[in-house]
Amino acid sequence: GAVVSQHPSRVICKSGTSVKIECRSLDFQATTMFWYRQFPKKSLMLMATSNEGSKATYEQGVEKDKFLINHASLTLSTLTVTSAHPEDSSFYICSARVQSREQYFGPGTRLTVT
Amino acid sequence: GENVEQHPSTLSVQEGDSAVIKCTYSDSASNYFPWYKQELGKRPQLIIDIRSNVGEKKDQRIAVTLNKTAKHFSLHITETQPEDSAVYFCAAFNTGNQFYFGTGTSLTVIP
Repeated sequence: GAVVSQHPSRVICKSGTSVKIECRSLDFQATTMFWYRQFPKKSLMLMATSNEGSKATYEQGVEKDKFLINHASLTLSTLTVTSAHPEDSSFYICSARVQSREQYFGPGTRLTVT
Repeated sequence: GENVEQHPSTLSVQEGDSAVIKCTYSDSASNYFPWYKQELGKRPQLIIDIRSNVGEKKDQRIAVTLNKTAKHFSLHITETQPEDSAVYFCAAFNTGNQFYFGTGTSLTVIP
């Protein structure tokens, strides 16, 4: 199957700082990338849908000014958590979708805000 | 938007028995229904999927059924093995180009 990478895998930052997470499709061009948040033992919560060259579509309740998404190319999307707070601590997973509608997940990023 | 419900939230079965997980969805226009397996701390992995023009699909010990009229679909795992223990998520892909996930089922296969 297709490979999606995510970097970093773990990050610890201080409250008030910003953190950038990268999501790359390594061997295919993704028409769409998705960003999810997952709390321990909980389901994946869709945060936003990202299409290359256009603005991301955010789900209701997700602050677009806090979670900045940039989809610079067909293989790269970034999520920046701005002015992070402890309640932003979570597991963030990206996925990339191919034309067939299948989506492939990145390995996730564990964010801890102290 | 779409609303996906999944049951049960936890499931324990004896090794060799079958496991069934059920999901319902609300958007009748949803047309693609994948199932994912997620082991602790790892990414979800697609294990099987079904499209709205098909009623059933099978891949070795795993099968998925879809009832479009009732808007529900189910995952069936036969002859369960300890390595099947994981959290399983259903999802529905709707016309808004988005995936919506069920709440997950933690499956434990007891040796």
